[in-house]
Order: sequence, then structure tokens, then C-alpha cells
Amino acid sequence: EIVLTQSPGTLSLSPGERATLSCRASQSVSSNYLAWYQQKPGQAPRLLIYGASSRATDIPDRFSGSGSGTDFTLTISRLEPEDFAVYYCQQYSSSPLTFGGGAKVEI
Amino acid sequence: EVQLVESGGGLVQPGGSLRLPCAASGFSFSTYAMSWVRQAPGKGLEWVSAISGSGGSTYYADSAKGRFTISRDNSKNTLYLQMNSLRLDDTAVYYCAKERNSKGYYDYWGQGTLVIVSS
Repeated sequence: EIVLTQSPGTLSLSPGERATLSCRASQSVSSNYLAWYQQKPGQAPRLLIYGASSRATDIPDRFSGSGSGTDFTLTISRLEPEDFAVYYCQQYSSSPLTFGGGAKVEI
Repeated sequence: EVQLVESGGGLVQPGGSLRLPCAASGFSFSTYAMSWVRQAPGKGLEWVSAISGSGGSTYYADSAKGRFTISRDNSKNTLYLQMNSLRLDDTAVYYCAKERNSKGYYDYWGQGTLVIVSS
């Protein structure tokens, strides 16, 4: 099983600042099969990034993903008030599918 | 518009059973693999089970093997999760999710249904 470790657990930032979230895998994620989701309280997750760096439909370009192998990053270039949420990475290169523990971006 | 609507959650005693349906609309249901993902209160996301578009292939997390059964009725555009021998640690919001291009990541999620296992 691929274990995904997200850091930091909580990121305290202000609107307009840059957020950088890390997702480290216990073994290589083949074909960069890594996705990122955003989840707000009381809501279902929303797909942001797939294939490590491809933005999903209607996702603003302030969200970007990068990385390969075992180290991946989600960057939010300029935080908007609606971006304060919890973010999860997920690998889909091998079964079982696994998620990281989440990273909270708070004001 | 793609919609996924789960139902069937509620309070159940340890050892009990529950069946969760997820009604899908707005896309060609039989074309896409579907999954169940759960989230315990205040915790992260955990993949539970997946099923191919035809229903011919199913996959389970170790925590679900032997107790949960995923199925689908493509004539009714509905996904199911039959949960037996429920344990306290099965308490969670259960989401159904559509796989994008059957790749293993999810472009649409339902709103979730809460299952509470308690005596």
C-alpha cells in the first residue's frame, strides 16, 4: 500500500499569499497518477488536479500541481477567501487507492 | 448536469447491516467505474470499494473485504453498498464518487450519507 504523507498539517496564511502544500509517497507513484482535492466543511471533496499537474474543469489557474515519483506539490499562487479549506492528495497508481491525511489552509 | 445522490444512512447497532444506494443522473452511468469513499467524523478520506462500469469487476479495501459488497444496477442508474457486520469504526459519511475516465480519481461526488454504528 502506498502511504501518502501531507505536510504541513496546517498552514496559516492571509488572502493574497502563496500556499505550498506537500504530498510525499512511501513509494513511487507511477505515471504521476496523483490527484488533489479541496474540501470545505460540510461539503464533498472537489477535484482540483489530476495527473499531478493537470487542472480539472473550471479550476482557476491560481491552482497548480507539480512533482513526480514520490514528491508532489500543490501551489495556490494567491489565496482567495474561498480557498481556505482542507486539501487532500490521492494516488491512483496502485490498489488500494489511498489518500493523504489532509492539510488545512486557514486564515 | 451530473448528480449523485446517496441515501440509506442512519443509526445501526454493531453487527447490523445497512444498504446504501446512490442514484446517478446526467451521464452515461454504465460507461464509468464508480467508488465508495468514506470519512469518519473529523478525519480524512478513505477509499472503501470500487466497481467497473459493467459491474464485472469489484475491488475492496482490506477494511471492507468480507463484510461489504458493492454492486450496481445500470438499468436503474444506481450504485449500491451493502454493509454487513458493521463495527463502531465504520461510523462515517459515505460518499459515492464517479471515476473520471475510469482512471481511479473522482470528478464528481455525492453529498454523502452518514452512517452511525452505535449501541
